[in-house]
Amino acid sequence: EIVLTQSPGTLSLSPGERATLSCRASQSVSSSYLAWYQQKPGQAPRLLIYGASSRATGIPDRFSGSGSGTDFTLTISRLEPEDFAVYYCQQYGSSPFTFGGGTKVEIK
Amino acid sequence: EVQLVESGGGLVQPGGSLRLSCAASGFTFSSYWMHWVRQAPGKGLVWVSRINSDGSSTSYADSVKGRFTISRDNAKNTLYLQMNSLRAEDTAVYYCARGHIVVERPFDPWGQGTLVTVSS
Repeated sequence: EIVLTQSPGTLSLSPGERATLSCRASQSVSSSYLAWYQQKPGQAPRLLIYGASSRATGIPDRFSGSGSGTDFTLTISRLEPEDFAVYYCQQYGSSPFTFGGGTKVEIK
Repeated sequence: EVQLVESGGGLVQPGGSLRLSCAASGFTFSSYWMHWVRQAPGKGLVWVSRINSDGSSTSYADSVKGRFTISRDNAKNTLYLQMNSLRAEDTAVYYCARGHIVVERPFDPWGQGTLVTVSS
């Protein structure tokens, strides 16, 4: 089983600031089958990034993903008020399809 | 519009059973692999199970293997999760999510979720 470790657990930032979220895998993620999801309270997760760096349909270009192998990053270039949420990484290349523990981006 | 709508959640006693449903619309349901994912209150996301497009292949998380059964009815565009021998630790919101057709794809979209509470 691939274990995904996200850091930091909580990120306290102000609107307009840059957010950098990390996801580290216990073993290489095949073919960069790494996704990022955003979840707001009371809502289902929403796909942001897949294939480590491809934005899903309708996702603003302030969201970007990078990385390969075992180290991946989600960057939000300038935080908008609606971006304060919890973010999860997930590997979908091999069963079981594991998620990271999440990073909460909160308003400072 | 692609849509997934879960139902069937509720309060059940430990050791009891429950069947969740996920009604799909807006896409060719019979072409896609489908997943169940759960989220305990205040906790993160945990993959539970998946099924291939024709229902002939399934896989499960170790925590539910032997107790949960995933199935589908492509004629009704509906995904199911039969949950038996329920435990307190199964308490969670259960989401269904669309998977891939041929090449592995992320989970997209997700339903709104249905809450299962296991308690006496």
